[in-house]
Amino acid sequence: DTGVSQNPRHKITKRGQNVTFRCDPISEHNRLYWYRQTLGQGPEFLTYFQNEAQLEKSRLLSDRFSAERPKGSFSTLEIQRTEQGDSAMYLCASSRLAGPSTDTQYFGPGTRLTVL
Amino acid sequence: TQLLEQSPQFLSIQEGENLTVYCNSSSVFSSLQWYRQEPGEGPVLLVTVVTGGEVKKLKRLTFQFGDARKDSSLHITAAQPGDTGLYLCAGLFYNQGGKLIFGQGTELSVKP
Repeated sequence: DTGVSQNPRHKITKRGQNVTFRCDPISEHNRLYWYRQTLGQGPEFLTYFQNEAQLEKSRLLSDRFSAERPKGSFSTLEIQRTEQGDSAMYLCASSRLAGPSTDTQYFGPGTRLTVL
Repeated sequence: TQLLEQSPQFLSIQEGENLTVYCNSSSVFSSLQWYRQEPGEGPVLLVTVVTGGEVKKLKRLTFQFGDARKDSSLHITAAQPGDTGLYLCAGLFYNQGGKLIFGQGTELSVKP
């Protein structure tokens, strides 16, 4: 399978703990995105990378959140001191930017985070 | 701030019926994507539309992009229980980098 992969698929943690998620994009895709989705809503943008550069961060990404893509391949999203409000599905997507107007993004299966 | 409105939010129909889902914005999309999502999974891409007035077909699904590139629709003919799921439209806007702006989604339930 050469699609976007995410690990773990599910994570249950206690409030105050740190968690880290990993995303492996489609090979040769230069852009990688993180989104968060809560129940009954569409995904919301968190941040994205072009190669190893983090180009944009949403206001949703508080200082407890940090994302890295050290070698322009896989990416990690870390949440420090988790809160119950962080419970959500965290989605990763990747794309190969083909031009200024088209950027078809392919999503991974997501990591479901539950903070107790 | 670009907003994307999707309607209806919920749709429950019988097998064999037709349906249409709408996606609207006050801003011009540079491109728009439709996804289908099942519970506990990530969104799966159905189609990308780029050109105003464009129509794309995927079996029983027909996607239209408005001439002004501010709206799109998804029409399903003769719905089947396997079409059940969450349908999401997501737009890219000029000068907004690469982030997709998603609608709230349409939860479709097709009963046999």
